[in-house]
Amino acid sequence: EDQVTQSPEALRLQEGESSSLNCSYTVSGLRGLFWYRQDPGKGPEFLFTLYSAGEEKEKERLKATLTKKESFLHITAPKPEDSATYLCAGYFSGSARQLTFGSGTQLTVLP
Amino acid sequence: DSGVTQTPKHLITATGQRVTLRCSPRSGDLSVYWYQQSLDQGLQFLIQYYNGEERAKGNILERFSAQQFPDLHSELNLSSLELGDSALYFCASSTHFQGGQTQYFGPGTRLLVL
Repeated sequence: EDQVTQSPEALRLQEGESSSLNCSYTVSGLRGLFWYRQDPGKGPEFLFTLYSAGEEKEKERLKATLTKKESFLHITAPKPEDSATYLCAGYFSGSARQLTFGSGTQLTVLP
Repeated sequence: DSGVTQTPKHLITATGQRVTLRCSPRSGDLSVYWYQQSLDQGLQFLIQYYNGEERAKGNILERFSAQQFPDLHSELNLSSLELGDSALYFCASSTHFQGGQTQYFGPGTRLLVL
Protein backbone atom coordinates (compact mmCIF):
# COMPACT_ATOMS: atom_id res chain seq x y z
CA GLU A 1 0.00 0.00 0.00
CA ASP A 2 1.28 3.43 -0.91
CA GLN A 3 2.13 5.41 2.19
CA VAL A 4 3.17 8.96 2.91
CA THR A 5 4.64 9.70 6.32
CA GLN A 6 5.30 13.16 7.68
CA SER A 7 7.54 14.17 10.56
CA PRO A 8 7.53 15.70 13.01
CA GLU A 9 3.83 15.69 13.89
CA ALA A 10 4.22 19.11 15.49
CA LEU A 11 6.95 21.73 15.44
CA ARG A 12 7.29 24.92 17.43
CA LEU A 13 9.77 27.52 16.23
CA GLN A 14 10.75 30.97 17.33
CA GLU A 15 10.29 33.66 14.71
CA GLY A 16 13.37 33.62 12.50
CA GLU A 17 14.38 30.08 13.47
CA SER A 18 14.73 28.10 10.23
CA SER A 19 13.84 24.42 10.06
CA SER A 20 12.69 21.61 7.77
CA LEU A 21 9.66 19.38 7.58
CA ASN A 22 10.01 15.85 6.26
CA CYS A 23 7.79 13.75 4.02
CA SER A 24 8.86 10.19 3.26
CA TYR A 25 7.04 7.91 0.87
CA THR A 26 6.82 4.47 -0.60
CA VAL A 27 9.70 4.35 -3.00
CA SER A 28 8.07 2.52 -5.89
CA GLY A 29 5.98 4.38 -8.41
CA LEU A 30 6.01 7.97 -7.17
CA ARG A 31 4.75 10.15 -10.00
CA GLY A 32 4.36 13.44 -8.15
CA LEU A 33 4.80 14.91 -4.69
CA PHE A 34 2.58 17.77 -3.58
CA TRP A 35 2.83 20.20 -0.66
CA TYR A 36 -0.17 22.01 0.75
CA ARG A 37 -0.70 24.44 3.59
CA GLN A 38 -3.88 24.17 5.66
CA ASP A 39 -5.14 26.69 8.18
CA PRO A 40 -7.62 25.50 10.84
CA GLY A 41 -11.07 24.90 9.37
CA LYS A 42 -9.95 25.90 5.86
CA GLY A 43 -9.25 24.00 2.69
CA PRO A 44 -5.69 22.95 1.80
CA GLU A 45 -3.87 25.64 -0.15
CA PHE A 46 -1.56 24.42 -2.90
CA LEU A 47 2.13 25.25 -2.49
CA PHE A 48 4.34 23.07 -4.70
CA THR A 49 4.45 20.10 -7.02
CA LEU A 50 7.67 18.11 -7.47
CA TYR A 51 8.02 15.39 -10.07
CA SER A 52 11.61 14.17 -10.10
CA ALA A 53 14.49 13.64 -7.67
CA GLY A 54 16.69 16.69 -7.44
CA GLU A 55 13.88 19.08 -8.24
CA GLU A 56 13.54 22.18 -6.05
CA LYS A 57 10.89 24.90 -5.90
CA GLU A 58 10.74 28.08 -3.89
CA LYS A 59 8.08 30.51 -2.80
CA GLU A 60 8.87 33.31 -0.39
CA ARG A 61 10.27 31.68 2.78
CA LEU A 62 9.44 28.14 1.63
CA LYS A 63 11.58 25.79 -0.41
CA ALA A 64 10.58 22.25 -1.34
CA THR A 65 13.06 19.59 -2.40
CA LEU A 66 12.66 16.01 -3.56
CA THR A 67 15.00 13.04 -3.29
CA LYS A 68 14.41 9.43 -4.26
CA LYS A 69 13.00 8.60 -0.82
CA GLU A 70 11.67 11.80 0.69
CA SER A 71 10.79 15.43 0.32
CA PHE A 72 11.69 18.33 2.55
CA LEU A 73 9.92 21.62 3.07
CA HIS A 74 12.49 24.12 4.28
CA ILE A 75 11.21 27.19 6.07
CA THR A 76 13.69 30.03 6.23
CA ALA A 77 13.32 32.73 8.90
CA PRO A 78 9.66 31.87 9.56
CA LYS A 79 7.10 34.41 10.72
CA PRO A 80 4.05 33.83 12.92
CA GLU A 81 1.83 33.94 9.82
CA ASP A 82 3.58 30.78 8.60
CA SER A 83 1.87 28.89 11.42
CA ALA A 84 -0.35 26.21 9.83
CA THR A 85 -0.50 22.50 9.14
CA TYR A 86 1.64 21.48 6.19
CA LEU A 87 0.45 18.46 4.25
CA CYS A 88 2.32 16.45 1.70
CA ALA A 89 0.66 14.09 -0.73
CA GLY A 90 1.98 11.58 -3.21
CA TYR A 91 0.61 10.42 -6.49
CA PHE A 92 1.64 6.84 -7.21
CA SER A 93 1.23 4.71 -10.30
CA GLY A 94 -0.74 1.59 -9.60
CA SER A 95 -4.15 0.74 -8.30
CA ALA A 96 -4.95 3.84 -6.26
CA ARG A 97 -4.01 6.43 -8.88
CA GLN A 98 -5.07 9.22 -6.53
CA LEU A 99 -3.37 11.49 -4.06
CA THR A 100 -2.36 9.84 -0.80
CA PHE A 101 -1.99 12.41 1.96
CA GLY A 102 0.28 12.32 4.96
CA SER A 103 -1.10 13.22 8.36
CA GLY A 104 0.59 16.62 8.32
CA THR A 105 3.02 18.64 10.40
CA GLN A 106 1.46 21.28 12.62
CA LEU A 107 3.83 24.24 12.62
CA THR A 108 3.64 26.98 15.24
CA VAL A 109 5.89 30.02 14.91
CA LEU A 110 6.14 32.06 18.06
CA PRO A 111 6.78 35.82 17.93
CA ASP B 1 -9.01 31.94 -3.09
CA SER B 2 -8.63 28.74 -5.14
CA GLY B 3 -11.66 29.39 -7.32
CA VAL B 4 -13.41 26.25 -6.05
CA THR B 5 -16.66 26.98 -4.24
CA GLN B 6 -18.57 24.79 -1.83
CA THR B 7 -21.95 25.16 -0.18
CA PRO B 8 -23.09 25.13 2.51
CA LYS B 9 -20.22 26.11 4.79
CA HIS B 10 -21.79 24.47 7.80
CA LEU B 11 -24.42 21.78 8.15
CA ILE B 12 -25.95 20.43 11.34
CA THR B 13 -28.27 17.46 11.10
CA ALA B 14 -29.46 14.40 12.98
CA THR B 15 -28.53 10.74 12.71
CA GLY B 16 -30.42 8.91 9.99
CA GLN B 17 -30.90 12.01 7.86
CA ARG B 18 -29.69 12.71 4.33
CA VAL B 19 -27.75 15.77 3.17
CA THR B 20 -26.36 17.08 -0.10
CA LEU B 21 -23.10 18.99 -0.40
CA ARG B 22 -22.43 21.07 -3.47
CA CYS B 23 -19.21 21.98 -5.26
CA SER B 24 -18.39 24.18 -8.24
CA PRO B 25 -14.93 23.61 -9.74
CA ARG B 26 -12.52 26.26 -10.95
CA SER B 27 -13.35 27.71 -14.32
CA GLY B 28 -12.04 25.35 -17.00
CA ASP B 29 -11.49 22.38 -14.69
CA LEU B 30 -13.23 19.19 -15.75
CA SER B 31 -12.28 16.93 -12.87
CA VAL B 32 -13.79 17.06 -9.39
CA TYR B 33 -12.64 15.16 -6.32
CA TRP B 34 -14.30 14.70 -2.94
CA TYR B 35 -12.39 14.23 0.30
CA GLN B 36 -13.34 13.66 3.91
CA GLN B 37 -11.21 15.04 6.73
CA SER B 38 -11.78 13.95 10.29
CA LEU B 39 -9.53 14.39 13.31
CA ASP B 40 -8.53 10.75 13.53
CA GLN B 41 -8.38 9.88 9.82
CA GLY B 42 -6.73 12.83 8.14
CA LEU B 43 -7.62 13.69 4.56
CA GLN B 44 -9.23 10.71 2.82
CA PHE B 45 -10.06 10.53 -0.87
CA LEU B 46 -13.67 9.55 -1.55
CA ILE B 47 -14.42 9.78 -5.27
CA GLN B 48 -13.44 11.51 -8.52
CA TYR B 49 -15.55 12.61 -11.47
CA TYR B 50 -14.32 13.82 -14.82
CA ASN B 51 -16.62 15.56 -17.26
CA GLY B 52 -19.65 13.85 -15.77
CA GLU B 53 -18.21 10.36 -15.51
CA GLU B 54 -16.97 8.58 -12.41
CA ARG B 55 -13.21 8.02 -12.76
CA ALA B 56 -11.97 6.69 -9.44
CA LYS B 57 -13.29 5.56 -6.10
CA GLY B 58 -11.53 5.68 -2.79
CA ASN B 59 -12.80 4.94 0.68
CA ILE B 60 -16.37 5.95 0.00
CA LEU B 61 -19.14 4.30 1.99
CA GLU B 62 -22.13 2.76 0.20
CA ARG B 63 -24.33 5.30 2.02
CA PHE B 64 -22.50 8.05 0.13
CA SER B 65 -22.91 8.85 -3.54
CA ALA B 66 -21.88 11.63 -5.87
CA GLN B 67 -22.54 12.94 -9.33
CA GLN B 68 -21.24 15.59 -11.68
CA PHE B 69 -23.68 17.56 -13.77
CA PRO B 70 -23.35 18.89 -17.36
CA ASP B 71 -22.37 22.32 -16.02
CA LEU B 72 -19.56 20.48 -14.16
CA HIS B 73 -20.73 21.22 -10.66
CA SER B 74 -20.81 18.21 -8.39
CA GLU B 75 -22.91 17.04 -5.49
CA LEU B 76 -22.02 14.62 -2.72
CA ASN B 77 -25.01 12.89 -1.15
CA LEU B 78 -24.67 11.45 2.32
CA SER B 79 -27.53 9.31 3.62
CA SER B 80 -28.43 7.40 6.77
CA LEU B 81 -26.03 9.66 8.57
CA GLU B 82 -24.15 8.42 11.61
CA LEU B 83 -22.31 10.32 14.32
CA GLY B 84 -19.02 9.20 12.80
CA ASP B 85 -19.81 11.00 9.55
CA SER B 86 -19.19 14.31 11.28
CA ALA B 87 -16.20 15.77 9.47
CA LEU B 88 -14.98 18.39 7.05
CA TYR B 89 -15.81 17.54 3.46
CA PHE B 90 -13.66 19.09 0.76
CA CYS B 91 -14.05 19.29 -2.94
CA ALA B 92 -11.04 19.78 -5.20
CA SER B 93 -10.73 20.28 -8.92
CA SER B 94 -8.11 19.86 -11.61
CA THR B 95 -7.93 20.43 -15.33
CA HIS B 96 -7.88 16.80 -16.45
CA PHE B 97 -8.39 13.38 -14.92
CA GLN B 98 -4.84 12.09 -15.13
CA GLY B 99 -3.15 11.43 -11.84
CA GLY B 100 -0.44 13.83 -10.88
CA GLN B 101 -2.47 16.89 -11.77
CA THR B 102 -2.42 19.62 -9.16
CA GLN B 103 -5.69 19.65 -7.26
CA TYR B 104 -7.10 22.92 -5.95
CA PHE B 105 -9.29 22.66 -2.88
CA GLY B 106 -12.43 24.47 -1.90
CA PRO B 107 -13.13 25.93 1.56
CA GLY B 108 -15.01 22.85 2.70
CA THR B 109 -18.33 21.99 4.31
CA ARG B 110 -18.30 21.26 8.02
CA LEU B 111 -20.87 18.55 8.78
CA LEU B 112 -22.02 17.90 12.31
CA VAL B 113 -24.28 14.92 12.91
CA LEU B 114 -26.05 14.98 16.27
